[in-house]
Amino acid sequence: EPEVTQTPSHQVTQMGQEVILRCVPISNHLYFYWYRQILGQKVEFLVSFYNNEISEKSEIFDDQFSVERPDGSNFTLKIRSTKLEDSAMYFCASNQYFGPGTRLLVL
Amino acid sequence: SQQGEEDPQALSIQEGENATMNCSYKTSINNLQWYRQNSGRGLVHLILIRSNEREKHSGRLRVTLDTSKKSSSLLITASRAADTASYFCAGWGYNQGGKLIFGQGTELSVKP
Repeated sequence: EPEVTQTPSHQVTQMGQEVILRCVPISNHLYFYWYRQILGQKVEFLVSFYNNEISEKSEIFDDQFSVERPDGSNFTLKIRSTKLEDSAMYFCASNQYFGPGTRLLVL
Repeated sequence: SQQGEEDPQALSIQEGENATMNCSYKTSINNLQWYRQNSGRGLVHLILIRSNEREKHSGRLRVTLDTSKKSSSLLITASRAADTASYFCAGWGYNQGGKLIFGQGTELSVKP
């Protein structure tokens, strides 16, 4: 059964550094999403992506965030200058199917 | 805006018992989905129920949807210790731009 994959599974970074989280969605799906979950809290929507462009973004998704689908396969989330409060689990989703997540820790 | 609100927030039962979790939502949806999350792990899609369905079964799972009350329930029958996890409902609707809006989750603990 096809599944959504995410890399890396864990990332530790220093405050102010840029991170890129990668996702490979399910190949015949059209809608892709990034969500995040701060430890102990609910899953929050960040951004949706359709037809190679952002279709919706939440207020969390400010100018430090960007998404790309550079090669028609990978779907990336870039955080330009990480803050402590960006520490969370980041989930990629392909339609309603979620990847295993990347745990990001900003020190 | 909060879409899914699960109730109870925590539930502790013995193995073999049934577990019922409830979810309420605010705006209209096209479908409602339930997910399971083991501690610190990813989200596993359990079941999707469409707005024109009232009940759906999948193995030991039974989901109901009452669109007039904007509520759903997830029943896990004959629970096992391996069912211990957090369970989230998430509403999906075209008027939400196709994104899922999650509730806070119910933490289920099944004691052997």
